[in-house]
Amino acid sequence: ETGVTQTPRHLVMGMTNKKSLKCEQHLGHNAMYWYKQSAKKPLELMFVYNFKEQTENNSVPSRFSPECPNSSHLFLHLHTLQPEDSALYLCASSQKGEDYGYTFGSGTRLTVV
Amino acid sequence: GESVGLHLPTLSVQEGDNSIINCAYSNSASDYFIWYKQESGKGPQFIIDIRSNMDKRQGQRVTVLLNKTVKHLSLQIAATQPGDSAVYFCAENNGGYQKVTFGIGTKLQVIP
Repeated sequence: ETGVTQTPRHLVMGMTNKKSLKCEQHLGHNAMYWYKQSAKKPLELMFVYNFKEQTENNSVPSRFSPECPNSSHLFLHLHTLQPEDSALYLCASSQKGEDYGYTFGSGTRLTVV
Repeated sequence: GESVGLHLPTLSVQEGDNSIINCAYSNSASDYFIWYKQESGKGPQFIIDIRSNMDKRQGQRVTVLLNKTVKHLSLQIAATQPGDSAVYFCAENNGGYQKVTFGIGTKLQVIP
C-alpha cells in the first residue's frame, strides 16, 4: 500500500449507470488529483484539488463530476459514460510546497459497456 | 493483466545486465524531473527525481542523467532484476504542482 487507497479496483458499468470512484489518502497531503490512463497515451490530468478547493479542470466532460469533502477523501462521480471512457483512473496526492512527486493509488480499472 | 504497457516501446534486458531507459522532454523551462515505475495492476511509483541544476543523481541501483541541452533524461538501472520488469515513464514539472507532464512510458522486460 502506498498510502493512497482507491476503490473499487475494477468496475464494469453500462452507459446509463451512475457510479462513483473513491480515493482516500493517509499521508497528510493537501493536494489530490484524478488522472486518466489509457493505452498508448500519457497520463491525462483531469482534476486537481488543493485544500479541498478545485483548482484545475482540464476540459473534462460533465459526465465526470469530482467531489472532495475533505483533504483526505476524493470522489469521482460517473454518469452516462461512453465506451471511450474505459481506462484506468488513478488518484494521486502530494504536499504543496514540497517537491512535486506524487503518490499514486493502484487505480480503478473502468470498463464501460 | 493491465492494458497499460501494450503497444509501448519495449526494452528487453538480460537479468544482471544494466538497463538504460530514455526520455525526451518537451519544455525547456521544466525544472524538476521524476521517473516513475508502474508494475502490472499497480499505480505509478516514484523512483528518483532530479532538479534542473543537476546533471546526475544516484539512488539505490538507479541513476538519472539530465541533459538540458538536448532536453533528454535517462534512467539507468544497474544489475537489472526480474522485479524491475514494469513500465517506466518520466515526468517533467515546469512550475507548480499542477504543471506536471508525463511521458508515454517504456516497458522493461527482464529475461531470466
